[in-house]
Amino acid sequence: SQQGEEDPQALSIQEGENATMNCSYKTSINNLQWYRQNSGRGLVHLILIRSNEREKHSGRLRVTLDTSKKSSSLLITASRAADTASYFCATVLYQAGTALIFGKGTTLSVSS
Amino acid sequence: DGGITQSPKYLFRKEGQNVTLSCEQNLNHDAMYWYRQDPGQGLRLIYYSQIVNDFQKGDIAEGYSVSREKKESFPLTVTSAQKNPTAFYLCASSRTGVGQPQHFGDGTRLSIL
Repeated sequence: SQQGEEDPQALSIQEGENATMNCSYKTSINNLQWYRQNSGRGLVHLILIRSNEREKHSGRLRVTLDTSKKSSSLLITASRAADTASYFCATVLYQAGTALIFGKGTTLSVSS
Repeated sequence: DGGITQSPKYLFRKEGQNVTLSCEQNLNHDAMYWYRQDPGQGLRLIYYSQIVNDFQKGDIAEGYSVSREKKESFPLTVTSAQKNPTAFYLCASSRTGVGQPQHFGDGTRLSIL
């Protein structure tokens, strides 16, 4: 049961540029989370935005949430080579407790 | 430092063999999860447990089994009934409560001999 879909599937940029990834979902959510995965490693939680929030910042990350469009975006400003990774959005359904549903991810490549 | 340890990092299974993947956490989290990741498929939930001695099936539980005898441990057995077990397996844990962030181990890559 795929809930979130990230777009684009892959993104290639130069160091210093901004990277924007989008996530769309299908049903009402409690919150939406973004995770990063470096190649061959586990996922790392980046940021959580609740359904009653519209924007949230953490360092070079900015997340927006539009519940009317059922979409979220993750902006990474001034990208670095170390930001090269896959990025996943995950949603929590109101009735599903702690279980998260992940999208297929966006693969970001940042070249120097 | 607290964290989640998965072992082994690489595992090979012969046809007809059951194998068990280990997951241990020292974060004092009540909830633990197992995911399967295939290339281009994202993560799919296999099983999760919100408390000791209790667990629920996820989207793709067929061919897998789990136990939760201790808070710290949530081993996953890939049985011979799982016909396509080659994948990257990720274990995670979180506090209980709706939508808690999850902490992940570094995964076990399972291949078929």
